[in-house]
Order: sequence, then C-alpha cells, then structure tokens
Amino acid sequence: GQNIDQPTEMTATEGAIVQINCTYQTSGFNGLFWYQQHAGEAPTFLSYNVLDGLEEKGRFSSFLSRSKGYSYLLLKELQMKDSASYLCVTMDSNYQLIWGAGTKLIIKP
Amino acid sequence: EADIYQTPRYLVIGTGKKITLECSQTMGHDKMYWYQQDPGMELHLIHYSYGVNSTEKGDLSSESTVSRIRTEHFPLTLESARPSHTSQYLCASSQGSVGELFFGEGSRLTVL
Repeated sequence: GQNIDQPTEMTATEGAIVQINCTYQTSGFNGLFWYQQHAGEAPTFLSYNVLDGLEEKGRFSSFLSRSKGYSYLLLKELQMKDSASYLCVTMDSNYQLIWGAGTKLIIKP
Repeated sequence: EADIYQTPRYLVIGTGKKITLECSQTMGHDKMYWYQQDPGMELHLIHYSYGVNSTEKGDLSSESTVSRIRTEHFPLTLESARPSHTSQYLCASSQGSVGELFFGEGSRLTVL
C-alpha cells in the first residue's frame, strides 16, 4: 500500500534548527514535495525532490534518499512565523499525490 | 503569485440543501483539483480534472459532482448536504506532470 509517516508534532526554539523527518512507501515514485500550512490556511509549496540529495532554498533545505524511502525538511534560524504544519507529499507512478497528515511545528521564544 | 479564487469562503447551510462551491484560476493551468481537509488531518482528493471536459473521481468523492466546461473554472456541487459534509474544501491547480499545486484560500462549509 501507499503510506507516509511523519511526527505529529514538534517543538523548537526561535533561532534554532529543526529537522522534520518523513518516511514513505509508494507504488512507484515520481518525487516528493514539502508544503507548509498555517492554521486555517491553504498549503503552500516549499520544495520538490526527485533525485537523491539535498536541495537548499534559503533557510529551508530538503533531503531525499529514494533507497531508504526517506526525506527530511531542515529549517534553520527559526522564526515565530515558521509555526505551521509541514506536509510531506509523494507522487506515485501514476502522478497521483499522496499526502501525509503533517507535522505541527511549534516555535517557542 | 498564485491566482486561484474560491467562493464562498464560509458557508453555513441546513441539511438537504444543494450548494455549489466555486473555483477559478487565471494561470491557464490544465490541471485542477478539489480536496477535503478536516482540522489536523491529511488532504483527501475528491475530484480532479486534467483539462476541459475531463473529470475524475478521487478517493473521496463524497457524493459531489464537478464540471470543467472552461479551463479556468472548476465548480464543486453537493446535491444534498449532510452534517458529515462539514469540512474545509480546498481547490488547487497545477501545470505539467510534476508541477507544484497552487491552492485557493478554501471554503469552510458547516452543515447543520
């Protein structure tokens, strides 16, 4: 079957670094997305990985290991506005998106 | 910047009513989607379209229907609303095989 696992909730301190992990099982693989979703709002795109390795975009980086079915999102220099849910999303062989339930990140001053 | 709009943003209706949630995008995207999301839960795909006159059911059709007569417009209709339909409905669009999704602000529906 198809499945995505990520922690339900994480807490971090303003200015620190946090890593949100995601493991997945899919029928085929056409890439992995990370989306950010603030409470009561719609998701917004953060990153897309289809090859192994690290993609860096400002304070956010995303890593993928296809052989391990594993990805992580790394957030540096945390700001209060980073408090949100972070959704791990895979794309299967039919280009269908499989959404994780998200990791709620709480930033404390 | 994404240009995808949903109306109404909030709606409270009684059981048995027929409602249509509107979604329009001005980006010329071929693909459009409707998702349902309850608080703290994952998104569930209700319907999607890969172009004009093309519509498919997702894994949660929720007794709703859609139409795609024009590229920019993808309305969702509930023929007879029930309390179990109370949720947030998110419309999205994308371009290409692996394009990122652009979401509207959502329509929060409450059925009494």
